Amino acid sequence: RKEVEQDPGPFNVPEGATVAFNCTYSNSASQSFFWYRQDCRKEPKLLMSVYSSGNEDGRFTAQLNRASQYISLLIRDSKLSDSATYLCAVTGIGSGNTGKLIFGQGTTLQVKP
Amino acid sequence: GAVVSQHPSWVICKSGTSVKIECRSLDFQATTMFWYRQFPKQSLMLMATSNEGSKATYEQGVEKDKFLINHASLTLSTLTVTSAHPEDSSFYICSARGPLNSPLHFGNGTRLTVT
Repeated sequence: RKEVEQDPGPFNVPEGATVAFNCTYSNSASQSFFWYRQDCRKEPKLLMSVYSSGNEDGRFTAQLNRASQYISLLIRDSKLSDSATYLCAVTGIGSGNTGKLIFGQGTTLQVKP
Repeated sequence: GAVVSQHPSWVICKSGTSVKIECRSLDFQATTMFWYRQFPKQSLMLMATSNEGSKATYEQGVEKDKFLINHASLTLSTLTVTSAHPEDSSFYICSARGPLNSPLHFGNGTRLTVT
């Protein structure tokens, strides 16, 4: 089983739609959680950290469910510019925590006009 | 914000040659650097973790003699792909951070094509 799993999609949605991505992680000892955005042939860029209490940044809302070991990302009012691959990432896996970041496969989002 | 510079951005080399990729932290001291590899339509796979002044820790399945990592200073780490083969063609990305729990910053990646 992969340490971090995501549905690769693609998710094809019209502009203005609300879309949600989920990500599961296998190690209950994972400590920190993030969503990254990656555009084609580019490095990933941090979208937001994910906190247990949930957090929101504009149209983006992230949630963490430690009991079920999943994190989610909700995008409201999708824009064409939101088209990208969204990667979830976790740290703190394994002994001797070095803060290494383990990524999921990524979920591709295509927002259509 | 903090910047990590990775060089070269892309490289084409012949099979059997070695390629060196540099990762520099421009405005902070990078205690730890991570090297990732990403094949098309796949995730970023962690290859190794390097701490300044010590040997890199490689992930399972990554050949340490093939992917040489040097982290001799707090601002520079290098990854050398030795005797490259076409199956090594990939997108290599470094990331760097200061102390544990400080933010992680990514380089812009290196696209390696081995012919």
